[in-house]
Amino acid sequence: KAGVTQTPRYLIKTRGQQVTLSCSPISGHRSVSWYQQTPGQGLQFLFEYFSETQRNKGNFPGRFSGRQFSNSRSEMNVSTLELGDSALYLCASSVQGIGGANVLTFGAGSRLTVL
Amino acid sequence: GESVGLHLPTLSVQEGDNSIINCAYSNSASDYFIWYKQESGKGPQFIIDIRSNMDKRQGQRVTVLLNKTVKHLSLQIAATQPGDSAVYFCAEPQRAAGNKLTFGGGTRVLVKP
Repeated sequence: KAGVTQTPRYLIKTRGQQVTLSCSPISGHRSVSWYQQTPGQGLQFLFEYFSETQRNKGNFPGRFSGRQFSNSRSEMNVSTLELGDSALYLCASSVQGIGGANVLTFGAGSRLTVL
Repeated sequence: GESVGLHLPTLSVQEGDNSIINCAYSNSASDYFIWYKQESGKGPQFIIDIRSNMDKRQGQRVTVLLNKTVKHLSLQIAATQPGDSAVYFCAEPQRAAGNKLTFGGGTRVLVKP
């Protein structure tokens, strides 16, 4: 079956702009999580959505937001972009939780460059 | 506090040799650990996991060892191949936080032909 699909794969924005990233989870997966990956901070959890509800949120400013649709697809938005927002944004999906067969499956990521 | 870390940032290994990647954790109540592999241009890929009621778990060419006494786990790759060149992360779910994973800093494995 198809994996986790993220679009766009690459994008360049300028400071002050906003960006929306999209994630289509594996069919049947209801949980979608977002992570930010940078060389300096590594992989950091942004938020998780389950059945259209934000179930958990990481330590990121309010400029970072997300949502999940009824078909489990998710979007994340970053407003008022800063240079430090340049990163690889990874989406991961799972059936429900973590453990046993319910591992997180990651997409290839959306690489955002802020100029 | 919550932290999952790694000892070595880069590991250079000869093709055919065994690789050992280490990871330390700080929460003694942690009960589940996962290893991910991330190749260039790709997202992390699940390799193997282990629960705290186990000391060892084996997969295909990979073995994870868990030492709860010193809060340390390792990933061993047997007969390392060029395709094993990647960054390896240990990760730990935060049980009270849904699907939140805390990742270690990562170890880059470079396989020399």
